[in-house]
Amino acid sequence: ETGVTQTPRHLVMGMTNKKSLKCEQHLGHNAMYWYKQSAKKPLELMFVYSLEERVENNSVPSRFSPECPNSSHLFLHLHTLQPEDSALYLCASSQRGGGESYTFGSGTRLTVV
Amino acid sequence: QKEVEQDPGPLSVPEGAIVSLNCTYSNSAFQYFMWYRQYSRKGPELLMYTYSSGNKEDGRFTAQVDKSSKYISLFIRDSQPSDSATYLCAMGLDTGGFKTIFGAGTRLFVKA
Repeated sequence: ETGVTQTPRHLVMGMTNKKSLKCEQHLGHNAMYWYKQSAKKPLELMFVYSLEERVENNSVPSRFSPECPNSSHLFLHLHTLQPEDSALYLCASSQRGGGESYTFGSGTRLTVV
Repeated sequence: QKEVEQDPGPLSVPEGAIVSLNCTYSNSAFQYFMWYRQYSRKGPELLMYTYSSGNKEDGRFTAQVDKSSKYISLFIRDSQPSDSATYLCAMGLDTGGFKTIFGAGTRLFVKA
């Protein structure tokens, strides 16, 4: 496989469930990202892992928990989500060097019921 | 004021038309500018990348940056139905941080 692969493509979960989103990149990049995309809103950066360092957006609720076991894999653990968390969750990777562009996965469409 | 403003559309044009998509921004320090195309049920893909001011052309696509006006544009010549997608502008600082800001995207429909 090439590029950035995300699973699952679709996820429906109840507010009391725990689930995880998975992302894998095959590009040899050294940074990975989680973005949230809601309708008619700009992409919202949630978390960054760069050279095994985690950088996070302080406005992201603690019910979202990232994990990056190595430079190719990224997870987003979800628990006790709210209906307003329903969105498209995009994983991206890049080669850090300043001003770099991102390669995105196809996303996980999450619906919280 | 938002850092990046982008008209969400939708913009509907006939096949063959010239399309102009635009973003304005407030941070005069932005140095690099990008356009991403996002098809339905897909992630964004990089379409054009421009560093600093000027024009860049790639096939039917031209990216234009006017830093004095804080305004960027993407032109699509001879638009095709396959160009129907959401176009997101993005920009940031080349300082090694993680400050790339995205616009909300403009939805484009090209009718055959």
